[in-house]
Amino acid sequence: SAVISQKPSRDICQRGTSLTIQCQVDSQVTMMFWYRQQPGQSLTLIATANQGSEATYESGFVIDKFPISRPNLTFSTLTVSNMSPEDSSIYLCSVVAVGNTEAFFGQGTRLTVV
Amino acid sequence: RKEVEQDPGPFNVPEGATVAFNCTYSNSASQSFFWYRQDCRKEPKLLMSVYSSGNEDGRFTAQLNRASQYISLLIRDSKLSDSATYLCVAAGGSARQLTFGSGTQLTVLP
Repeated sequence: SAVISQKPSRDICQRGTSLTIQCQVDSQVTMMFWYRQQPGQSLTLIATANQGSEATYESGFVIDKFPISRPNLTFSTLTVSNMSPEDSSIYLCSVVAVGNTEAFFGQGTRLTVV
Repeated sequence: RKEVEQDPGPFNVPEGATVAFNCTYSNSASQSFFWYRQDCRKEPKLLMSVYSSGNEDGRFTAQLNRASQYISLLIRDSKLSDSATYLCVAAGGSARQLTFGSGTQLTVLP
Protein backbone atom coordinates (compact mmCIF):
# COMPACT_ATOMS: atom_id res chain seq x y z
CA SER A 1 0.00 0.00 0.00
CA ALA A 2 1.03 3.61 -0.53
CA VAL A 3 2.53 5.58 2.35
CA ILE A 4 0.44 8.69 2.92
CA SER A 5 1.60 11.67 4.93
CA GLN A 6 -1.09 14.10 5.97
CA LYS A 7 -0.49 17.25 7.96
CA PRO A 8 -1.22 18.90 10.20
CA SER A 9 -2.49 16.07 12.36
CA ARG A 10 -4.56 18.48 14.38
CA ASP A 11 -5.23 22.18 14.75
CA ILE A 12 -7.36 24.58 16.71
CA CYS A 13 -8.41 27.58 14.65
CA GLN A 14 -10.31 30.79 15.12
CA ARG A 15 -13.58 31.22 13.30
CA GLY A 16 -13.29 33.18 10.08
CA THR A 17 -9.77 31.94 9.33
CA SER A 18 -8.67 29.29 6.83
CA LEU A 19 -6.62 26.13 7.19
CA THR A 20 -4.80 24.24 4.46
CA ILE A 21 -4.27 20.51 4.88
CA GLN A 22 -1.58 18.73 2.89
CA CYS A 23 -1.51 15.16 1.63
CA GLN A 24 1.70 13.66 0.24
CA VAL A 25 1.95 10.13 -1.18
CA ASP A 26 5.20 8.23 -1.69
CA SER A 27 4.16 6.79 -5.06
CA GLN A 28 2.05 7.79 -8.00
CA VAL A 29 -1.63 7.19 -7.47
CA THR A 30 -4.55 7.34 -9.84
CA MET A 31 -7.06 8.98 -7.59
CA MET A 32 -6.98 11.22 -4.55
CA PHE A 33 -10.01 12.07 -2.46
CA TRP A 34 -10.86 14.25 0.51
CA TYR A 35 -13.33 13.06 3.13
CA ARG A 36 -14.85 14.55 6.23
CA GLN A 37 -15.79 12.56 9.31
CA GLN A 38 -17.85 14.39 11.88
CA PRO A 39 -17.90 13.16 15.47
CA GLY A 40 -19.61 9.79 15.80
CA GLN A 41 -20.39 9.63 12.10
CA SER A 42 -19.07 7.83 9.08
CA LEU A 43 -17.06 9.30 6.23
CA THR A 44 -18.54 11.73 3.73
CA LEU A 45 -16.79 12.40 0.44
CA ILE A 46 -16.04 16.08 -0.08
CA ALA A 47 -14.41 15.91 -3.50
CA THR A 48 -12.14 14.09 -5.90
CA ALA A 49 -8.84 15.91 -6.44
CA ASN A 50 -8.00 15.96 -10.14
CA GLN A 51 -4.44 16.48 -11.28
CA GLY A 52 -4.00 19.79 -13.04
CA SER A 53 -7.68 20.68 -13.10
CA GLU A 54 -10.53 21.65 -10.84
CA ALA A 55 -11.67 19.14 -8.26
CA THR A 56 -14.99 17.33 -8.61
CA TYR A 57 -17.20 18.22 -5.66
CA GLU A 58 -19.98 16.17 -4.12
CA SER A 59 -23.39 17.55 -3.38
CA GLY A 60 -23.28 19.98 -0.49
CA PHE A 61 -19.64 20.94 -0.96
CA VAL A 62 -18.42 23.90 -3.00
CA ILE A 63 -15.08 25.13 -4.25
CA ASP A 64 -15.29 28.49 -2.48
CA LYS A 65 -15.54 26.76 0.88
CA PHE A 66 -13.20 23.83 0.20
CA PRO A 67 -10.68 24.79 -2.49
CA ILE A 68 -8.53 21.83 -3.51
CA SER A 69 -5.29 21.65 -5.43
CA ARG A 70 -3.51 18.69 -6.99
CA PRO A 71 -0.48 19.95 -8.89
CA ASN A 72 0.95 16.47 -9.51
CA LEU A 73 0.18 12.77 -9.02
CA THR A 74 1.50 12.57 -5.46
CA PHE A 75 0.38 15.76 -3.71
CA SER A 76 -2.89 17.48 -2.88
CA THR A 77 -4.15 20.18 -0.54
CA LEU A 78 -7.56 20.89 0.92
CA THR A 79 -8.33 24.32 2.33
CA VAL A 80 -11.18 24.85 4.77
CA SER A 81 -12.09 28.49 4.24
CA ASN A 82 -13.80 31.04 6.48
CA MET A 83 -14.17 28.44 9.19
CA SER A 84 -17.05 28.18 11.61
CA PRO A 85 -17.52 25.79 14.55
CA GLU A 86 -19.62 23.56 12.27
CA ASP A 87 -16.44 22.79 10.33
CA SER A 88 -14.95 21.06 13.36
CA SER A 89 -14.33 17.57 12.12
CA ILE A 90 -11.71 15.09 11.01
CA TYR A 91 -10.55 15.59 7.44
CA LEU A 92 -9.04 12.60 5.67
CA CYS A 93 -7.04 12.25 2.50
CA SER A 94 -7.52 9.00 0.60
CA VAL A 95 -5.71 7.53 -2.40
CA VAL A 96 -6.17 4.70 -4.87
CA ALA A 97 -2.90 3.37 -6.25
CA VAL A 98 -2.26 2.60 -9.89
CA GLY A 99 -3.73 -0.77 -10.84
CA ASN A 100 -5.73 -1.14 -7.63
CA THR A 101 -9.26 -0.57 -6.44
CA GLU A 102 -8.63 -0.36 -2.70
CA ALA A 103 -8.46 3.06 -1.08
CA PHE A 104 -5.97 3.95 1.65
CA PHE A 105 -6.16 6.82 4.08
CA GLY A 106 -3.89 9.40 5.56
CA GLN A 107 -3.76 9.77 9.33
CA GLY A 108 -6.38 12.49 9.27
CA THR A 109 -6.47 16.10 10.46
CA ARG A 110 -8.50 16.78 13.57
CA LEU A 111 -9.81 20.33 13.24
CA THR A 112 -11.44 22.28 16.03
CA VAL A 113 -12.86 25.72 15.26
CA VAL A 114 -13.42 28.01 18.22
CA ARG B 1 -32.67 5.38 2.77
CA LYS B 2 -28.90 5.26 3.18
CA GLU B 3 -26.89 3.86 0.30
CA VAL B 4 -24.97 1.54 2.60
CA GLU B 5 -26.65 0.40 5.78
CA GLN B 6 -25.10 -1.34 8.75
CA ASP B 7 -26.29 -2.28 12.18
CA PRO B 8 -24.48 0.30 14.35
CA GLY B 9 -24.25 -2.02 17.33
CA PRO B 10 -22.59 -1.90 19.70
CA PHE B 11 -21.68 -5.55 19.72
CA ASN B 12 -20.14 -6.62 23.02
CA VAL B 13 -18.78 -10.15 22.83
CA PRO B 14 -16.48 -12.26 25.01
CA GLU B 15 -13.04 -13.26 23.85
CA GLY B 16 -13.16 -16.32 21.63
CA ALA B 17 -16.68 -15.66 20.39
CA THR B 18 -17.72 -15.62 16.77
CA VAL B 19 -19.42 -12.44 15.62
CA ALA B 20 -21.05 -11.54 12.31
CA PHE B 21 -21.71 -8.12 10.81
CA ASN B 22 -24.17 -7.50 8.02
CA CYS B 23 -24.42 -4.72 5.49
CA THR B 24 -26.79 -3.92 2.65
CA TYR B 25 -26.24 -1.57 -0.27
CA SER B 26 -28.82 0.09 -2.46
CA ASN B 27 -26.83 0.93 -5.59
CA SER B 28 -26.98 -2.13 -7.83
CA ALA B 29 -24.23 -0.60 -9.99
CA SER B 30 -21.70 -0.96 -7.18
CA GLN B 31 -18.85 -3.14 -8.33
CA SER B 32 -16.32 -3.37 -5.51
CA PHE B 33 -16.85 -3.96 -1.84
CA PHE B 34 -14.62 -3.67 1.18
CA TRP B 35 -14.51 -3.89 4.92
CA TYR B 36 -12.47 -1.27 6.74
CA ARG B 37 -11.56 -1.16 10.38
CA GLN B 38 -11.36 2.12 12.27
CA ASP B 39 -9.86 2.38 15.74
CA CYS B 40 -10.83 5.23 18.00
CA ARG B 41 -9.32 8.53 16.79
CA LYS B 42 -7.51 6.81 13.93
CA GLU B 43 -7.97 6.66 10.18
CA PRO B 44 -9.84 3.76 8.54
CA LYS B 45 -7.63 0.87 7.51
CA LEU B 46 -8.48 -1.68 4.87
CA LEU B 47 -9.36 -5.00 6.45
CA MET B 48 -10.27 -6.94 3.34
CA SER B 49 -11.87 -6.75 -0.06
CA VAL B 50 -15.06 -8.72 -0.62
CA TYR B 51 -15.46 -10.96 -3.64
CA SER B 52 -18.50 -12.74 -5.03
CA SER B 53 -16.90 -16.10 -4.34
CA GLY B 54 -16.31 -15.14 -0.73
CA ASN B 55 -12.88 -14.78 0.76
CA GLU B 56 -11.13 -15.64 3.96
CA ASP B 57 -8.14 -14.11 5.69
CA GLY B 58 -7.24 -15.94 8.87
CA ARG B 59 -10.07 -15.46 11.34
CA PHE B 60 -11.98 -13.16 9.01
CA THR B 61 -14.41 -14.27 6.32
CA ALA B 62 -16.25 -11.93 3.97
CA GLN B 63 -19.20 -12.81 1.78
CA LEU B 64 -21.03 -10.95 -0.98
CA ASN B 65 -24.52 -11.73 -2.25
CA ARG B 66 -25.15 -9.56 -5.29
CA ALA B 67 -28.73 -10.78 -5.76
CA SER B 68 -29.67 -9.61 -2.27
CA GLN B 69 -27.18 -6.70 -2.30
CA TYR B 70 -25.83 -7.95 0.97
CA ILE B 71 -22.33 -8.13 2.42
CA SER B 72 -21.20 -9.87 5.57
CA LEU B 73 -18.11 -10.12 7.75
CA LEU B 74 -17.52 -13.02 10.11
CA ILE B 75 -14.88 -12.86 12.83
CA ARG B 76 -14.00 -16.12 14.52
CA ASP B 77 -12.17 -16.55 17.82
CA SER B 78 -12.47 -12.86 18.68
CA LYS B 79 -9.47 -11.15 20.25
CA LEU B 80 -9.39 -8.09 22.48
CA SER B 81 -7.50 -6.34 19.67
CA ASP B 82 -10.48 -6.82 17.34
CA SER B 83 -12.32 -4.09 19.26
CA ALA B 84 -12.95 -1.31 16.72
CA THR B 85 -15.56 0.09 14.38
CA TYR B 86 -16.04 -1.90 11.18
CA LEU B 87 -17.04 0.04 8.09
CA CYS B 88 -18.77 -1.52 5.11
CA VAL B 89 -17.88 0.16 1.81
CA ALA B 90 -19.38 -0.09 -1.67
CA ALA B 91 -17.57 1.39 -4.66
CA GLY B 92 -18.68 2.22 -8.19
CA GLY B 93 -16.66 1.34 -11.24
CA SER B 94 -14.58 4.52 -11.25
CA ALA B 95 -13.80 4.16 -7.52
CA ARG B 96 -15.01 7.71 -7.18
CA GLN B 97 -18.31 6.59 -5.71
CA LEU B 98 -16.83 5.12 -2.56
CA THR B 99 -19.75 4.99 -0.16
CA PHE B 100 -19.27 4.20 3.50
CA GLY B 101 -21.73 2.67 5.89
CA SER B 102 -22.08 4.27 9.29
CA GLY B 103 -20.00 1.56 10.91
CA THR B 104 -20.58 -1.22 13.41
CA GLN B 105 -18.91 -0.91 16.78
CA LEU B 106 -17.38 -4.06 18.25
CA THR B 107 -16.04 -4.46 21.77
CA VAL B 108 -14.42 -7.76 22.70
CA LEU B 109 -14.49 -8.30 26.44
CA PRO B 110 -11.95 -10.27 28.49
